[in-house]
Amino acid sequence: GAGVSQSPRYKVAKRGQDVALRCDPISGHVSLFWYQQALGQGPEFLTYFQNEAQLDKSGLPSDRFFAERPEGSVSTLKIQRTQQEDSAVYLCASSILEQSSYEQYFGPGTRLTVT
Amino acid sequence: QKEVEQDPGPLSVPEGAIVSLNCTYSNSAFQYFMWYRQYSRKGPELLMYTYSSGNKEDGRFTAQVDKSSKYISLFIRDSQPSDSATYLCAMSSSGAGSYQLTFGKGTKLSVIP
Repeated sequence: GAGVSQSPRYKVAKRGQDVALRCDPISGHVSLFWYQQALGQGPEFLTYFQNEAQLDKSGLPSDRFFAERPEGSVSTLKIQRTQQEDSAVYLCASSILEQSSYEQYFGPGTRLTVT
Repeated sequence: QKEVEQDPGPLSVPEGAIVSLNCTYSNSAFQYFMWYRQYSRKGPELLMYTYSSGNKEDGRFTAQVDKSSKYISLFIRDSQPSDSATYLCAMSSSGAGSYQLTFGKGTKLSVIP
């Protein structure tokens, strides 16, 4: 069956550009998570959606980061005025469970490079 | 000090060896403990999930949690070249915010044929 998909898989942006990263979760999954994985590090939590509601955005590193999931399925992570420290892999995960750490299925990630 | 510490390796073993991977943590609120496997250019894949202390076995994999020592381990028996990947430990608390996973930085494992 289809897993979590993310697009684009690779994105190169010049410093100062805005980028939009897309996540298509597994159909029917109510929970959606975004994580940031810097080179050689483990993923770090960014934000959590339960259906269309963004219940937790405590991990977003600055107000340049914005996420949405308007219809409770596809989600977009937007980064405004990108900076070099934003270079990382952005992972999306979804779960059929609500507010649980269990059974989070991860997508392949979008590798963002800011030059 | 990070909440979860994990030796990044790299760790290189011959095929058939027993592999021991481990993490330590400082947050006593962590109740749920997971091990993920991440192949290069892929997303993490859940291998094992344990609640509180104890052991759990699944095929060639055994997960151990010692909450008194704040120490968790993953053992891989009869290691195979296909086990070559980065292994990430992850943890979460119970109650509010329990969905939020805190990861170690991962240990890169190579199993040599």
